[in-house]
Amino acid sequence: DQQVKQNSPSLSVQEGRISILNCDYTNSMFDYFLWYKKYPAEGPTFLISISSIKDKNEDGRFTVFLNKSAKHLSLHIVPSQPGDSAVYFCQARGGGSQGNLIFGKGTKLSVKP
Amino acid sequence: NAGVMQNPRHLVRRRGQEARLRCSPMKGHSHVYWYRQLPEEGLKFMVYLQKENIIDESGMPKERFSAEFPKEGPSILRIQQVVRGDSAAYFCASSQTGWAYNEKLFFGSGTQLSVL
Repeated sequence: DQQVKQNSPSLSVQEGRISILNCDYTNSMFDYFLWYKKYPAEGPTFLISISSIKDKNEDGRFTVFLNKSAKHLSLHIVPSQPGDSAVYFCQARGGGSQGNLIFGKGTKLSVKP
Repeated sequence: NAGVMQNPRHLVRRRGQEARLRCSPMKGHSHVYWYRQLPEEGLKFMVYLQKENIIDESGMPKERFSAEFPKEGPSILRIQQVVRGDSAAYFCASSQTGWAYNEKLFFGSGTQLSVL
């Protein structure tokens, strides 16, 4: 049972445009969400996070939106740059499971010059 | 570099051999997590350890896999009698506080295990 879903395995956008990566979750107990970016042959690195008490968090070109009623969050990258090309993982926390920090399957973003 | 260190980066084993993957967490971190990424798959949680204790091993296969995080030294993920299906990238992450805190994880660069 996949509790965190990233339904788009890949996304391609033009440089300068907006990239929107989506993440859905099923467990209403999740109360904290993080996005990580992963380049090939490297480990994931933290990008941005959001608590369930907020509906938006912004950090430079990156904004994460949380819609709790829909159990949906999205990561917006504006403007997209070729260096943003990577796999993006959504992570959820809470739900009463210790340590079992759930990741989605990831979305591969390609930003074309 | 005080980041999470994993070694080896690449490990080749024949079926039936043992694989030992090492992870040194960031300085000051006492919580370690192991994840596995199969080809074309996401990150699957395996085990969460604190110094000398296994906190959650719900993602570990029941047989052949074990993990430890001794008082001194790195965390070790051990796979006995490897099979081809064990071929994957294994990532270690660490954090200063435990799962109950909203703290990001710091990941190592991973160990790519290839079973011939």
